[in-house]
Amino acid sequence: DTGVSQDPRHKITKRGQNVTFRCDPISEHNRLYWYRQTLGQGPEFLTYFQNEAQLEKSRLLSDRFSAERPKGSFSTLEIQRTEQGDSAMYLCASTRYSGTSRNTIYFGEGSWLTVV
Amino acid sequence: DAKTTQPPSMDCAEGRAANLPCNHSTISGNEYVYWYRQIHSQGPQYIIHGLKNNETNEMASLIITEDRKSSTLILPHATLRDTAVYYCIVRVGNAGGTSYGKLTFGQGTILTVHP
Repeated sequence: DTGVSQDPRHKITKRGQNVTFRCDPISEHNRLYWYRQTLGQGPEFLTYFQNEAQLEKSRLLSDRFSAERPKGSFSTLEIQRTEQGDSAMYLCASTRYSGTSRNTIYFGEGSWLTVV
Repeated sequence: DAKTTQPPSMDCAEGRAANLPCNHSTISGNEYVYWYRQIHSQGPQYIIHGLKNNETNEMASLIITEDRKSSTLILPHATLRDTAVYYCIVRVGNAGGTSYGKLTFGQGTILTVHP
């Protein structure tokens, strides 16, 4: 257990439904990342936050995806009108960015999404 | 971030050392070598990282060649629980800039430890 908590761990949804994943980073970690991983592939970067500000979004993050980190603590990743291609594991990671250090990035256990 | 090349799979006998190679011939002077592993259905787990000196921690050792174009992760006494996908990643290590933390994963090496 790295201390990065993700919920739910598994989600099965019908195509067209909306789903939301939550990530609770390690306390005092100001940077939070979302990745997506499909079967047989390595994780791919989606977006990241520093505190509550979303600083970068990958082109993988279509308009149906939205991420928030309203108070700079937990974050949510919402997928609207899910498609079968959204089936993947969604990973959250966090680290403490202080401007001069290179701290370890810790990943959560991931949230598996299956769209049927 | 520089691209890495790893063998797709490797085998190792339990109790023996597992040596996982990684090529990163285009690495820049300010890029670090990081290793993560991912056990089936779990999130990636940090193992070790280094810049140019060899590094050792409780999990593994990292040997980086003098020209920094390749490195080797060593698990000194592999166990069955070390069976996982191992990712070698190179990235900018200084915390300045938006790329910090944006890890670029390749396909990794599937390490199978057998009895």
